[in-house]
Amino acid sequence: GNSVTQMEGPVTLSEEAFLTINCTYTATGYPSLFWYVQYPGEGLQLLLKATKADDKGSNKGFEATYRKETTSFHLEKGSVQVSDSAVYFCALWDNTNAGKSTFGDGTTLTVKP
Amino acid sequence: NAGVTQTPKFRVLKTGQSMTLLCAQDMNHEYMYWYRQDPGMGLRLIHYSVGEGTTAKGEVPDGYNVSRLKKQNFLLGLESAAPSQTSVYFCASFRDRGPGEQYFGPGTRLTVT
Repeated sequence: GNSVTQMEGPVTLSEEAFLTINCTYTATGYPSLFWYVQYPGEGLQLLLKATKADDKGSNKGFEATYRKETTSFHLEKGSVQVSDSAVYFCALWDNTNAGKSTFGDGTTLTVKP
Repeated sequence: NAGVTQTPKFRVLKTGQSMTLLCAQDMNHEYMYWYRQDPGMGLRLIHYSVGEGTTAKGEVPDGYNVSRLKKQNFLLGLESAAPSQTSVYFCASFRDRGPGEQYFGPGTRLTVT
């Protein structure tokens, strides 16, 4: 079956530091890959996505590249802000799984001023 | 366009009581999902629906029932609440075309005492 493995947290960084959150996946088909973000007290919202190998998703300064050869989709940001403090979820979806997504366990990021 | 809404936002139940959580979406999405989120356990799929009148079990269905009588609504029922069902519940929807992006509601925080 499908699975998503995320870098364990929590992650604590100072403002303007470089962020990487690792995500690797196992899938039987050709999945689409996502990063969702959850701010305190809210639901998940889509941060970025990539639908095929070598695609790069980007949004709000965050980037992730779909690497089929390493089955990875690592999230990066060059300079984090306090407002980026949130929980980040890596997820995959493929159309062989009855419309269900597979989520990682989430990584909590705290950015200190 | 309200997206995905959930009712209620908070609820406290005594053990053995019953309740229904309502999820509504105004995007004409075919697929709807109920998840629970517990500390350190990520998102776990309870039940889902691939269209009006259909439901299917997810990863952790025991103790819950669901109904999808109208396309826009997905109800989650707890017949006899237990303390183990204390959690934050999220509803999500997906159009059924495209790369699989899910739209999440703001969550319902349920405490069972």
